[in-house]
Order: sequence, then C-alpha cells, then structure tokens
Amino acid sequence: RKEVEQDPGPFNVPEGATVAFNCTYSNSASQSFFWYRQDCRKEPKLLMSVYSSGNEDGRFTAQLNRASQYISLLIRDSKLSDSATYLCVVNIGGGGGNKLTFGTGTQLKVEL
Amino acid sequence: DGGITQSPKYLFRKEGQNVTLSCEQNLNHDAMYWYRQDPGQGLRLIYYSQIVNDFQKGDIAEGYSVSREKKESFPLTVTSAQKNPTAFYLCASSGTWLLGTEAFFGQGTRLTVV
Repeated sequence: RKEVEQDPGPFNVPEGATVAFNCTYSNSASQSFFWYRQDCRKEPKLLMSVYSSGNEDGRFTAQLNRASQYISLLIRDSKLSDSATYLCVVNIGGGGGNKLTFGTGTQLKVEL
Repeated sequence: DGGITQSPKYLFRKEGQNVTLSCEQNLNHDAMYWYRQDPGQGLRLIYYSQIVNDFQKGDIAEGYSVSREKKESFPLTVTSAQKNPTAFYLCASSGTWLLGTEAFFGQGTRLTVV
C-alpha cells in the first residue's frame, strides 16, 4: 500500500461548481498534513495546512480525519484559475523526523 | 529575499556523465529534500536530510548521491548508474516543529540526458 494515496483524476468541472478531493495515508504516526498546488511545469506551492479542527481559507476548506486516516480538500465556487494539480502531503515527524511524503496528485480542470 | 534556489534551470548532459544539481536555501531550515518528477507523475523522494552531516535514502535513491556539509546547501549528484535520469528535479526545505513543517520548493531543474 502506498504511504499517501490520491485519486489522480482528472476532475473536469464547470466554473462555479464545488469539488472535493480525498487523500488517505497509511502511517498512523503522521504528524502534519498539507495541501499543495502545482501548475504545469512549475514547482508545488503550499495551498494550506490541515488541522484536526479543520480550517478554511476563502473558498478552500481542509479537513483531517485521524481515525480514518484521510484528509480532504473542498473547493467552492471553482474558478478557471483553480485548474491545477493538487498534491496531498504528509509529514511523519517527531521520532521519525521530518519526512515529507507526497501523493501523486489530483488533476482539476475547471471549464466554462 | 529568503528562499530556496536551484540551479541551473535546464541542464543537458551526455549519457554516462555524472552531473550535480545545486540547491541552496537561506530560510535557516534544518530539513532539506530532493524529489524527482516524471511527466504526468507525482513527486518521488530521492534523499532527505534532517540536519547537517546527516541524510537518509528516500524511495528511489539508487543512482543518486547527496552531501550536506552546510545547513544552507544540499547538492544532488545524478550518477551514470541512474538508468533513466531525464526528469524534473525539485529541491525543498522545511523547518523544525517549532518553526512549522511545511516545505518550500525551489523552481526545479529540468535534466535531459542525451
């Protein structure tokens, strides 16, 4: 089983739609979680951190479910500019040190 | 400006030659990472280092080598033993628990071996 798994997509959605991505992780000792965005042929950039209490940043909401070992990202009122690949990242910290493991990414295409 | 710098952006090499990719950061981060990305694929961890003079193999370390002699620098050497070296290479750094652990990336190096 992969350490971090995501549905590769692509998710093709109309502008204004709400779309949700899930990501599962296998190591229960994982300490911190992030969503990154990667545009074509560019480096990944941090979109948001994910906390147990959930967090929201504008149209984006991230949730963590430790019991089921998954994190989610919800994008509301999607824009054309949201088209990108969204990467789930898990950090096995603490005794295991900082080791960032990436999912393969979920591709989102927002269309007119 | 604080950040992480990779050079060069594009690199062409002949098959059988070793090549070293540079990665420098001035964020005072302890941890540094090297990833490889192939077209349409996710990031795969090559090597990572949590502190100076220490590093660990990632998932695809074969054919690569690294050093961490200074906190700011984590160069990656792609050796002739790497069977398929053409790829997009990304370097990242992250802080300790006290500073926050999200990673910041360099702009990447596109290596083409001909």
